Amino acid sequence: GAVVSQHPSRVICKSGTSVKIECRSLDFQATTMFWYRQFPKQSLMLMATSNEGSKATYEQGVEKDKFLINHASLTLSTLTVTSAHPEDSSFYICSARDPGAGNQPQHFGDGTRLSIL
Amino acid sequence: GESVGLHLPTLSVQEGDNSIINCAYSNSASDYFIWYKQESGKGPQFIIDIRSNMDKRQGQRVTVLLNKTVKHLSLQIAATQPGDSAVYFCAEIGGNAGNMLTFGGGTRLMVKP
Repeated sequence: GAVVSQHPSRVICKSGTSVKIECRSLDFQATTMFWYRQFPKQSLMLMATSNEGSKATYEQGVEKDKFLINHASLTLSTLTVTSAHPEDSSFYICSARDPGAGNQPQHFGDGTRLSIL
Repeated sequence: GESVGLHLPTLSVQEGDNSIINCAYSNSASDYFIWYKQESGKGPQFIIDIRSNMDKRQGQRVTVLLNKTVKHLSLQIAATQPGDSAVYFCAEIGGNAGNMLTFGGGTRLMVKP
């Protein structure tokens, strides 16, 4: 079964709305979670690394005031797209690292498809 | 900057045939490689991994080959099934990227019945 849960799976909203996406690790504690963005027919691009109890680390070109990340507990990280515009429409995917996992470095959620009208 | 990559081509195979998906990487410091499968509307699913001290690793119906000399990675799927239809990504960890995954461009595999 899924070890990383992402919610919601689909969001459609008007331009200017702020949207919050949740990423939960279900059966392990994740000190580190990752947020990716994927445009159609493209690969996953890392946006930021979410660290429990400290500030997120953003990749170059990703606006931290636009994409707010909060990792308040060992099982939950949230990504808030503030004042979303049509160009923010994309597939957002989170992942979490299970420190106890042998082979897999990260477990991925099933993504959130964000559509801004 | 350095990247793992291939741009999204499509590989079409007949059901039952073997599939080979290729990936070229450019970061010679990468020491861990993973293949992911992504079905439409879902997140990536781990398939198989390999460390840089190996050149081949086998799983159930899948084999990953690593050629560090030419920085090339391949995924072989035996007896391809319709359920194998998806986009396949290679990813790498290591070097200056630390523990972060860097994804390649992906290949769409289409299996014809």
